[in-house]
Amino acid sequence: EVQLLESGGNLVQPGGSLRLSCAASGFTFSNYAMTWVRQAPGKGLEWVSSIGSDGDTTYHADSVKGRFTISRDNSKNTLYLQMNSLRAEDTAVYYCATYHCTTSSCYRNYENWGQGALVTVSS
Amino acid sequence: DIQMTQSPSSLSASVGDRVTITCRASQSISYSLNWYQQKPGKAPNLLIFAASNLQSGVPSRFSGSGSGTDFTLTINSLHPEDFATYFCQQSYSSFVTFGPGTKVDIK
Repeated sequence: EVQLLESGGNLVQPGGSLRLSCAASGFTFSNYAMTWVRQAPGKGLEWVSSIGSDGDTTYHADSVKGRFTISRDNSKNTLYLQMNSLRAEDTAVYYCATYHCTTSSCYRNYENWGQGALVTVSS
Repeated sequence: DIQMTQSPSSLSASVGDRVTITCRASQSISYSLNWYQQKPGKAPNLLIFAASNLQSGVPSRFSGSGSGTDFTLTINSLHPEDFATYFCQQSYSSFVTFGPGTKVDIK
């Protein structure tokens, strides 16, 4: 059974930093691209960052570019999101999810999701 | 970025009703459109991928159609467990975007 377990969510002051982790099990982690999607309280879904299966290709939304960094450790089956210079508008539940890429295309339909980690940015 | 809109933003329906939700992209995205269902406090669940393909395990009362810029999610004969919020998502671009959501509640 595919399992994704986020951790690291917390209350942090504006300007602070936090690192989220997403521990994967039940599938061959190194075969899948991964993504972070967030949801502010009572709001819709916002794509944050994506990373290829080998970690060489990354994408970040304009809203987090230069502040957030996605990375992965395939030896530990874990995805990360380093979040710096946090703002109140970054307050959200952060989900990790899987998607699949071939050598020619990526299929960004997110089949498997974690339960989410709450990040609250407030003084 | 590709902008996604959905209509309606909310609707009230009864068990057994047929429900249709529309999603529109700001530019052509071919068939690169996915639909998710989300219940309160839970992660989204993939229902339809590539516009019209039913995800494994999803009931056949859910269906999707469309291409280019206009897409539709249809729920035939609404069940009690279908009351939820539905999001469309374009996967045409590496910079994924979601629609704002459609909340389906009980009339």
